[in-house]
Amino acid sequence: GAGVSQSPSNKVTEKGKDVELRCDPISGHTALYWYRQRLGQGLEFLIYFQGNSAPDKSGLPSDRFSAERTGESVSTLTIQRTQQEDSAVYLCASSDRQALEQFFGPGTRLTVL
Amino acid sequence: AQSVTQLGSHVSVSEGALVLLRCNYSSSVPPYLFWYVQYPNQGLQLLLKYTSAATLVKGINGFEAEFKKSETSFHLTKPSAHMSDAAEYFCAVSGGSGYSTLTFGKGTMLLVSP
Repeated sequence: GAGVSQSPSNKVTEKGKDVELRCDPISGHTALYWYRQRLGQGLEFLIYFQGNSAPDKSGLPSDRFSAERTGESVSTLTIQRTQQEDSAVYLCASSDRQALEQFFGPGTRLTVL
Repeated sequence: AQSVTQLGSHVSVSEGALVLLRCNYSSSVPPYLFWYVQYPNQGLQLLLKYTSAATLVKGINGFEAEFKKSETSFHLTKPSAHMSDAAEYFCAVSGGSGYSTLTFGKGTMLLVSP
């Protein structure tokens, strides 16, 4: 079946603009995760959804970052008033109860000029 | 709290040589451990995972890793490197629950020369 998909694959924006990043998880996966990968760094956890609720938002770096999930499916990560330090690859992953493994999408590369 | 340390941001080997990528972890609970590989401009792909069963775990593409509790290590090995193994490798730890978040190391770039 289809894997995790993310859109757009690349996004270039100007400092101060808002951006929305989309994630479509594998059908039937109840858990969804967002990570940020800065150049030369590991993955930084942002937020985790179980169904449509987010029991763990501890990784969101500031109140400019928010995320929602609807229909236990698609999720949107929104960054308001983008800053240059927000430039990174944003990765989405999903998992189901049995697998333990998280399946990753290809990521969205965000560049803030 | 959990953390992962990967020794060496870059490892270079010759084709056919042994691959050894080091990972040490800390966890306040019995951990689940993972190795992921990331090829350029792609997402992460699971190589193998340890979930408290056998301590020697075999994964895809000939990779394996051994969980050593006494050393808090989960090093990744492959007997003979192939050019196609060149990629970035990430070690990760979770708290042992199916829905725990993963804490990743900073990654090790594997370079394979002919």
